[in-house]
Amino acid sequence: KAGVTQTPRYLIKTRGQQVTLSCSPISGHRSVSWYQQTPGQGLQFLFEYFSETQRNKGNFPGRFSGRQFSNSRSEMNVSTLELGDSALYLCASSPTGFGNTIYFGEGSWLTVV
Amino acid sequence: ILNVEQSPQSLHVQEGDSTNFTCSFPSSNFYALHWYRWETAKSPEALFVMTLNGDEKKKGRISATLNTKEGYSYLYIKGSQPEDSATYLCAFVSAGGTSYGKLTFGQGTILTVHP
Repeated sequence: KAGVTQTPRYLIKTRGQQVTLSCSPISGHRSVSWYQQTPGQGLQFLFEYFSETQRNKGNFPGRFSGRQFSNSRSEMNVSTLELGDSALYLCASSPTGFGNTIYFGEGSWLTVV
Repeated sequence: ILNVEQSPQSLHVQEGDSTNFTCSFPSSNFYALHWYRWETAKSPEALFVMTLNGDEKKKGRISATLNTKEGYSYLYIKGSQPEDSATYLCAFVSAGGTSYGKLTFGQGTILTVHP
């Protein structure tokens, strides 16, 4: 069974640009959540989607957005990039998003210059 | 704001030593506690999901206990091996509809096992 797949793995963007990251969950998993990992803040929850609906959102500015497609694949978008957005972005999937084991991808490393 | 604390921040042990880490979390509104192992350049690997007070889980040489009344969990590694070197993370899930897909992580314990 394939794990959680994230693309791209590494990318470099310039301040002010926007970026889209993609996540393919484990087959059969309908919940996809996103996390940001920075050295100072650790792993921080961004948002969660289930059946194309955002059910939960962390404390991040509106520049961070996401969506989920009918096949459960998800994308997250960051607009007007700032230097502080440089981080590892992890996607995670689970069957229902509550009470189950949550499986993580390897992440997308974003560097903003 | 939920506070999940892990100690120690880092740990160096010799191969064969047994070790343990602590995760402290809010004792109210508890739903579940997750443990993960995260090796460099890999994805976090789920170790345990613990939900009941007094829960004990075991996976090979790694085991964990849970005390929801006082808000702590211990992770034990028996006979540490160099391949156990990783960051060990705990993550708290609170009860209620605002917790869908949301894990609140501690800062992690970095374990280094020296041959």
